[in-house]
Parts: sequence; C-alpha cells; structure tokens
Amino acid sequence: DAGVIQSPRHEVTEMGQEVTLRCKPISGHDYLFWYRQTMMRGLELLIYFNNNVPIDDSGMPEDRFSAKMPNASFSTLKIQPSEPRDSAVYFCASSLAGLGMNTEAFFGQGTRLTVV
Amino acid sequence: AQTVTQSQPEMSVQEAETVTLSCTYDTSESDYYLFWYKQPPSRQMILVIRQEAYKQQNATENRFSVNFQKAAKSFSLKISDSQLGDAAMYFCAYSDAGKSTFGDGTTLTVKP
Repeated sequence: DAGVIQSPRHEVTEMGQEVTLRCKPISGHDYLFWYRQTMMRGLELLIYFNNNVPIDDSGMPEDRFSAKMPNASFSTLKIQPSEPRDSAVYFCASSLAGLGMNTEAFFGQGTRLTVV
Repeated sequence: AQTVTQSQPEMSVQEAETVTLSCTYDTSESDYYLFWYKQPPSRQMILVIRQEAYKQQNATENRFSVNFQKAAKSFSLKISDSQLGDAAMYFCAYSDAGKSTFGDGTTLTVKP
C-alpha cells in the first residue's frame, strides 16, 4: 500500500477563498483523522470518522470548517471562507479499529496551507 | 477524556550520548496503546516505537526504548547513542479503540 495520500502538498490561497484538502486513507483502515498542526497549538485533532461516519467533530474550530467522507477511500476537509489564521499544516491519518489490535495511526505527508 | 502531556518543549543532547523524553497521560481505560512518533523537518510523521498497555515488558527498537510505568501513567522515550539524524520533534500519543491523542511535542536538538 502507498500509505495515506494527501493532496495538495502545498496550498497558497487568498483570504476569503474556499480551500479543499483531500485524503486517501490506507485501504482497510476503519478510522480516518484530520489534524491541524501549528506552532502555537501543536497537533490538534479536528475530526475523526469511523467507517465513514463522523464520530467527533468537537475539534473543528468553527463553522467555516467542514469534513466529509463519502466512501472508505476518500475524505475532504473544506474551509470556506479561508482566513489567514487558518494557515497551518493539515494532516490526515488512518488506523485500524478495536481493542487488542494494533491501532497505530499512519499519517500522510500533510498539506501546508498558507492563507494570505 | 484522555490527555497526553509532554512537559519538555525542547531538549538537546550531545551526539553519541543518551537522552530521555518524558510523557505522562491520563485515562480511565485499562487496555490501550502508547506510541512515540518522530517528525523530522520533512514533517513526515514516523512511528518510532509502540507499547501495549497490557504488556509489562518495556518495548525496545534498536537505540530507542521506553520506560512504561502503568500505575504512574508515564511513558518516557530513551534514545541511546544519539545521532544527528535523530534531531526532530517527538510526539507521544495514546490510543484506545483506534482514536489517538497526541502530546504537544518535544523538539530534540542533537549537537555534534
């Protein structure tokens, strides 16, 4: 497997524009996570899905952020409208589920978002 | 809710020496996993070592080992014979039933 694949690797956009980040998890993984990493707040969990269903979106900063997982092999994180304070590295990760199983999270390489 | 605390924002070590990064966590679960991830400047998150809570034996991966104290909810990472390539940010993570919680990270500098 190629691992978790995120696109784009870098995104520069103007304030007010819509931004869509994409993620393809590892095939067979039950969980998918979206994280945001900044110097100020470290690694924050934004939302996670289990079997394509959003389980906990309490980390989503505001209504401008939305995430979808239409099928087991694809997820998007959308910011509309984007603001300069959204500038960060966004990671997608996936893992297997269940106690007693190896629940290591596999990360994509991240998308560096810059909003100017 | 589970929390993970890394109390050392920055650490430095001389090349070939040993360094220990600390991590504590809080949980009411009895069965879970703990991990250390490394994030080099390339920002790729790389798994360094994992520990299963029901195993008393501390995990070891080459120069990397952990000191897992379940009662104290402590999970420190020891890096022996430090190398320049070990310079990175290190994240401690807790996981049960699939969901992971991460600490804020420790930036490790290796001095030649």
